[in-house]
Amino acid sequence: ILNVEQSPQSLHVQEGDSTNFTCSFPSSNFYALHWYRWETAKSPEALFVMTLNGDEKKKGRISATLNTKEGYSYLYIKGSQPEDSATYLCAFPSSGTYKYIFGTGTRLKVLA
Amino acid sequence: EAQVTQNPRYLITVTGKKLTVTCSQNMNHEYMSWYRQDPGLGLRQIYYSMNVEVTDKGDVPEGYKVSRKEKRNFPLILESPSPNQTSLYFCASSFGTDTQYFGPGTRLTVL
Repeated sequence: ILNVEQSPQSLHVQEGDSTNFTCSFPSSNFYALHWYRWETAKSPEALFVMTLNGDEKKKGRISATLNTKEGYSYLYIKGSQPEDSATYLCAFPSSGTYKYIFGTGTRLKVLA
Repeated sequence: EAQVTQNPRYLITVTGKKLTVTCSQNMNHEYMSWYRQDPGLGLRQIYYSMNVEVTDKGDVPEGYKVSRKEKRNFPLILESPSPNQTSLYFCASSFGTDTQYFGPGTRLTVL
């Protein structure tokens, strides 16, 4: 069974701090890795879709990197703000299918 | 406005009473999927569809049925709901394995 692991499970940071979290996934038969942001009482919203080893993508203060050979992706938030408080999910479509495996997420709380 | 809609948003029902949760998207996406979210378990895929009349099981398909007769619609059917199907359900759609767009969610309680 394929597994996607995220760490840490939860994180509290002060406003203005920079932070990062990890998503680990099976490195064999890699196809793509998705990052989503999920605020309480809302739906998950897409951040990035990453496909190439060494990819780095950026959206405002949030960026992500991808290492397909060792099977991990990092999500970075620079200068965290209270509105960044959310659960950050990564997801991995199984190679050859459209079946998705989601991690359990990293719950970020930014304290003002 | 590009969107995925789900109905109903909230539902309380009783064991054994058949129900359908509808999902519709207006983005002409081929791929549609259903997930359930339970505390501590994250999103788990129930069923997905790669196109009209093409569906396949996700990780937790037991107790659910789906159909994809039209590109825009992907209803989730619970023929005989049980309390362990109490959960928050999300429908999503995408172009292939590109980013998925999620519906607003349906909170189902089965008594």
